[in-house]
Formats: sequence, C-alpha cells, structure tokens
Amino acid sequence: QSVLTQPPSASGTPGQRVTISCSGSSSNIGTNTVNWYQQLPGTAPKLLIYSNYQRPSGVPDRFSGSKSGTSASLAISGLQSEDEADYYCAAWDDSLGGWVFGGGTKLTVL
Amino acid sequence: EVQLVESGGGLVQPGGSLRLSCVASGFAFSRNWMNWVRQAPGKGLEWVASIKQDGSEKYYVDSVKGRFTISRDNAKNSMYLQMKSLRAEDTAVYYCTRVLGGGMDVWGQGTTVTVSS
Repeated sequence: QSVLTQPPSASGTPGQRVTISCSGSSSNIGTNTVNWYQQLPGTAPKLLIYSNYQRPSGVPDRFSGSKSGTSASLAISGLQSEDEADYYCAAWDDSLGGWVFGGGTKLTVL
Repeated sequence: EVQLVESGGGLVQPGGSLRLSCVASGFAFSRNWMNWVRQAPGKGLEWVASIKQDGSEKYYVDSVKGRFTISRDNAKNSMYLQMKSLRAEDTAVYYCTRVLGGGMDVWGQGTTVTVSS
C-alpha cells in the first residue's frame, strides 16, 4: 500500500493527451513539491518533472506537471509509442521523515 | 559525464549481510544529498535511505531501521549501504540517486540483491 495513490494503468492512442493522477496528504504533497519519474522497460528511472512542474533539460515539453492541494497530475500530450513506460510520482513526507512514492502507473500506447 | 555506478549486490542467505557501494563521477559529490532507492521484482519504487552532504543527517524507511546503515566518503566520491539481518523481502534492485532541485535527478544502473537460501 503506497502512501501516494496512482491509478495502476492508463492508456491512449498516438497523438492523444493522457493524464496520470497522484493523490497524497497534507504531510507530503500538501506541504512539499512533487516529482515524476519515467521508467522504460528494463531501465533505471529517469526524472521527468521536479518541483511540481519543472522539466529537466532534455525532457520534451509534451510532458507537464501540476499540483493542487494534496494532489498532483502528470499530463502527456501528443502521445508517442516511446512514451510507453511506468510513471511514478514522489514527494518528501514530513510525518514519515522520508521520500514516498506512488505505486506507479503503467502507460500503454494503443 | 554525470554518473553513478553501484556495486556489491549478489546472492545472500536470510540473516546475512551485504555492503553496497555507489561511486559518483562528473559532479561535486560532496554538495548533494544522496539516496538509496530499491525496486523489488515486478514492484514499484521504494525509498530506502538518505544522507546529507556531510553525513550529519541520515533517514531510513521504517522497514530497514536498525538493519541498514547509510554512509558516505566524500574524499572517495562514494556512498555505501551496509545491510545486515537481510530478509527475503529485501530482494530488489538497489539504485543510488542524487538529489538536486528537490528531485532525484541522477540514477545509477542499479545492483541486484537476492536474499534466498
């Protein structure tokens, strides 16, 4: 049972816009910034979004993040086949004194 | 090139010990918080431990407190995870990560720990 709640799966067709939600609480998302990670099959995770909506250099602007209250969302526009991966949200939790991750969302490009 | 390389994983019996290492290159290692994150087979990511730049603050997930110890040697650009009293549920790929800008922006390739008799 993950501290942050994500849907286990999401899907879309090429060119579509897909959003993945991440629900937390006042001790994590409500207080601290949210990060999103992409994990392609068989590879290490990669930072996709940090500080709620910032993109590291090299991440396409098709990827965007937002946060409201104790929830956050990752949006992927212009969906491409190479976006098929697992996506995780994460935040620092002040009550637990550590990082917490969502359970991950498997994105399928139909 | 900014890089993290883990080593030290392997097969160990329940109750055994293992020491993981992470060597950093391409950046000022001593300036960053560092983490260990693990991923059990077919499962999601789980944060394990964090260490401050000078090693003065350390944090652990509850399931490893008292069994795992995180440390670093800035002179060697290295971070370690000493694991004792290993259990089957510790079986995972262990990743070393750098913390920058509020996110874990650099990840190693991972080292696999298997706890089994």
